Amino acid sequence: GAVVSQHPSRVICKSGTSVKIECRSLDFQATTMFWYRQFPKKSLMLMATSNEGSKATYEQGVEKDKFLINHASLTLSTLTVTSAHPEDSSFYICSARAGYTFGSGTRLTVV
Amino acid sequence: AQSVSQHNHHVILSEAASLELGCNYSYGGTVNLFWYVQYPGQHLQLLLKYFSGDPLVKGIKGFEAEFIKSKFSFNLRKPSVQWSDTAEYFCAVRGGGNKLTFGTGTQLKVEL
Repeated sequence: GAVVSQHPSRVICKSGTSVKIECRSLDFQATTMFWYRQFPKKSLMLMATSNEGSKATYEQGVEKDKFLINHASLTLSTLTVTSAHPEDSSFYICSARAGYTFGSGTRLTVV
Repeated sequence: AQSVSQHNHHVILSEAASLELGCNYSYGGTVNLFWYVQYPGQHLQLLLKYFSGDPLVKGIKGFEAEFIKSKFSFNLRKPSVQWSDTAEYFCAVRGGGNKLTFGTGTQLKVEL
């Protein structure tokens, strides 16, 4: 079945640095991918929708300059957390196929 | 705007007990409804979905859910839970477009 591979699974970075998270569709092409953030004890919040070959669509309240999304090919979308701060620590999850397939998530810890 | 409410945040059951997890949504138009499961340390998996037709939907691992339009509900059920059903369960709704809105999740613990 359709698989979405997300890397890294865990990352620890220092405040002020940037971190890139990759999301790959392994056996299908994804013109659209979705990026979610999951806070402890809370639900998944949609951050943005990435569209292959065009600009991502960000949800209200999500800083597009802080969370850079690139969807340069039909199988790869990346989320870069720029100038990370401790409050950016969270679990980030990508999804493709409109809710059918999720990546395994990335636990980001900013120290 | 669409929203989802899951009433039970933590549920503890003994093996073989019956399960019902509540999910209510808010959206004025046609909706697609989903239940996902997240086992410890694993990624989200789709349990079942409702788009149209028979409001009683059967999913994987013996789970089912019933869409009751008049109550804006999509409760998840399983007649007899197993220890391996210990996980977090999320209800989600999709209204216009492809945007999924998730509930806050229900942590289910099944005790032997």
